Amino acid sequence: DQQVKQNSPSLSVQEGRISILNCDYTNSMFDYFLWYKKYPAEGPTFLISISSIKDKNEDGRFTVFLNKSAKHLSLHIVPSQPGDSAVYFCAATRTGTASKLTFGTGTRLQVTL
Amino acid sequence: EAGVTQFPSHSVIEKGQTVTLRCDPISGHDNLYWYRRVMGKEIKFLLHFVKESKQDESGMPNNRFLAERTGGTYSTLKVQPAELEDSGVYFCASSPSGFNTEAFFGQGTRLTVV
Repeated sequence: DQQVKQNSPSLSVQEGRISILNCDYTNSMFDYFLWYKKYPAEGPTFLISISSIKDKNEDGRFTVFLNKSAKHLSLHIVPSQPGDSAVYFCAATRTGTASKLTFGTGTRLQVTL
Repeated sequence: EAGVTQFPSHSVIEKGQTVTLRCDPISGHDNLYWYRRVMGKEIKFLLHFVKESKQDESGMPNNRFLAERTGGTYSTLKVQPAELEDSGVYFCASSPSGFNTEAFFGQGTRLTVV
């Protein structure tokens, strides 16, 4: 039973445009959400996070939106750059469980010139 | 500051053999985690150490997997005997103590069982 789902395995976006990556979760106990970025042959790298008490968190070109009622979050990258091409993982956890993360299957983003 | 280091980066072993993976966390990080990603699927939690103690090992697949964390520093994950389905990329991560702290991942060990 997959508790965190990323239904789009891949996404292609033109450089300069907005990339929107989506994630859904089923476990209502999750209250902290993270996005990780992964390049080939490297480990996941933390990108941005959001607590369930917020509905938006922004860091430079990256913004994460959380819709608790829909159990949905999204990552917006504006503007997209070729260096953003990577696999993006959505992850969720419960406060108090440190960083025991439940991951989605990832979305491969390709930013084209 | 050194990041999370894993060794080896790649291991190919035959079914039935034993393999030991090593992880050196970031110095001072009390929390150490092992995760596994199998063939393009999600990254799955295996277990969590707080210092030298196993806090949560609910993700360990079976008793062929044994994890240790010596003196609360580096950790090893032993698979004995290895089976074909154990193939995948094993990630180690560490984080400092506290709530909702970011986990830093190593580059992973790609294990192939043939």
